[in-house]
Parts: sequence; C-alpha cells; structure tokens
Amino acid sequence: DVQLLESGGASVQPGGSLRLSCEASGFSFDHFAMNWARQAPGKRPEWVSHVGGDGRAWYADSVKGRFTISRDNSKNTLYLQMNSLRAEDTATYYCAKDGFSNNGVFDFFDYWGQGALVTVSS
Amino acid sequence: ETVLTQSPGTLSLSPGESATLSCRASRSVSSGFLAWYQQRGGQAPRLLIYGASSRATGIPDRFSGSGSGTDFTLTITRLEPEDFAVYYCQQYGRSSEMYTFGQGTRLEIK
Repeated sequence: DVQLLESGGASVQPGGSLRLSCEASGFSFDHFAMNWARQAPGKRPEWVSHVGGDGRAWYADSVKGRFTISRDNSKNTLYLQMNSLRAEDTATYYCAKDGFSNNGVFDFFDYWGQGALVTVSS
Repeated sequence: ETVLTQSPGTLSLSPGESATLSCRASRSVSSGFLAWYQQRGGQAPRLLIYGASSRATGIPDRFSGSGSGTDFTLTITRLEPEDFAVYYCQQYGRSSEMYTFGQGTRLEIK
C-alpha cells in the first residue's frame, strides 16, 4: 500500500524557518513526481510545489524564493525547506504523489499524507 | 489563471438520495484534466475521479464524473453516511499554473 508520512510541523515565529519531511513507501518513489500542497483552516487546498523524479522543481508564486522542495530518492523522502515564514503560511501541509509516472503532466494527486501542521505566529 | 467555481456551496440531502455537484471553469480545461476529491472532517483529501470521468482505485461505482470544456459534474448515487463531506474539484495539466482547486461543496445530512 502507498503510504506518505509527513513530519516536521511546528509552531514558529514570523521570519523563521522550518523543514518538512515526507517518507514514502509502497511505490517506486523515483518514478513519480511529488508535490507539497497546503490547506489553511476552512479553506480550499492550495498547491505549493512540485518536483519531478529528476529533481526539477516548480513553485507557486506565493512561496517562490522562500521555499525549496527537494527529494532524496535513496531514502524515498521528500522535503520542503520553508524560510522567511509569514502568518499567511499557517496551514496543514500535505505531501502528495502524482497520479502517473513521469508523463510530462502536472498530474492529479492520487495519494496524500496525513498532513503536518505549521503555525506561524508571534 | 483558470478559476474553478463549484456549486452549490452546501447541499443538504438524506441517505439513499442522489447528489449532483457542479464545477465550472473560467476557461476550457484541456484534455479533461479535471479531478474530484472528497475530504472528511480532519482528514486529507482523497482522490475520487481523474480525467473528468475515470474512477480512482477503490472508489465505488456510486461515484461518477462527467463533463468537458468548462462544465463538469460529480454525481453520487445512493448516498451513504460516509459520503457526507466536502468535495473539491481540481484542474491539472501541462504547466504548474494549471494547479487550481475549486472552493468546495459541502454535502451535509438533511
């Protein structure tokens, strides 16, 4: 079974940094693009970042220049380094697997982790 | 950027009834790159439908998706208690700018 397990969520002050991790199992991790999405309380989900199997990355405008996505295929682990955090970054952060293997499409998300809560507040 | 508008905002129905949820895009969704997710309270979203009409693994055939262009529909027949949740549509595609979600429809027990 596919499993995605996030960790690293915490409460941090504005301007601070945090690194989220997502440990994947149950599929060939290096064959699939991976994503981070977030959801503020009572809001719709929002895509944050996408990384291909080769490590190439894309970001939402709201986090570009502040967040960095990366992956370690040898550890089946996805990361999100978040710097210069703002109050509006407060959300549950989910890692999510692309639906199809390296098909050149920014795909739907067929599996999501349980989420990691990030709270940015002074 | 394509805006996805879902209607109604809230739908009140009884178990056993059928639900029809709408997702309208401000621009045509290419290649039917439209997905539907279910989110129960306190849980992560779960994929129901992709490619506008293909059911995800393990999703019962009570759930069906249809539509093309700018108008898409999720239909749920014979509602069961576990179906009462929030439903989101999502556009995806050949560029990251296509990743957008609708604002959601809450399906509640009448």
